[in-house]
Amino acid sequence: DVKVTQSSRYLVKRTGEKVFLECVQDMDHENMFWYRQDPGLGLRLIYFSYDVKMKEKGDIPEGYSVSREKKERFSLILESASTNQTSMYLCASRTGTGGWETQYFGPGTRLLVL
Amino acid sequence: SQKIEQNSEALNIQEGKTATLTCNYTNYSPAYLQWYRQDPGRGPVFLLLIRENEKEKRKERLKVTFDTTLKQSLFHITASQPADSATYLCALDNGDDKIIFGKGTRLHILP
Repeated sequence: DVKVTQSSRYLVKRTGEKVFLECVQDMDHENMFWYRQDPGLGLRLIYFSYDVKMKEKGDIPEGYSVSREKKERFSLILESASTNQTSMYLCASRTGTGGWETQYFGPGTRLLVL
Repeated sequence: SQKIEQNSEALNIQEGKTATLTCNYTNYSPAYLQWYRQDPGRGPVFLLLIRENEKEKRKERLKVTFDTTLKQSLFHITASQPADSATYLCALDNGDDKIIFGKGTRLHILP
């Protein structure tokens, strides 16, 4: 079974702090994704990566950056956390980019910024 | 831009009945459509994929249809059980190497 793990299930940070969310997948997937999920807004894509050291902006990249130094690991960075970044953050991975490829999600990190 | 709409935010169904969830899309003709289940506080989990040339796909008590003329997919759960209560998301490929998701329908199966 594909396993996607996220470094924390719950996180509380203060405004202005730098926040790192880490995601690791164990199935040698090429593609990895970061989403945030908010009530009424659904899943929104922040950033994705097709390969090591490659990254592409999603629909809402402002205030976020990412890092992919190793194939299995994709990190989301909040350079200076703000209260409007309080959300559920979900990492996902998949083998390729075809429409038939399913995405495997991690358990999520619920981030609260005070 | 591509838009996905799921028919309702929440749906209450009596245990034992068939639950039917709707997914409509506009502005694109996806070759594939997927359905996911999400439990509270968890990540979505893949359930079924249907191709544009397939009218119907089944898996145990689940059935998905894909009508490319109506630009609609229906997701059915027969003989529904309280354990089926969850949020169900439809998703499709937008032709740009990404899957986009609907906002989901929260299904409550009432005992």
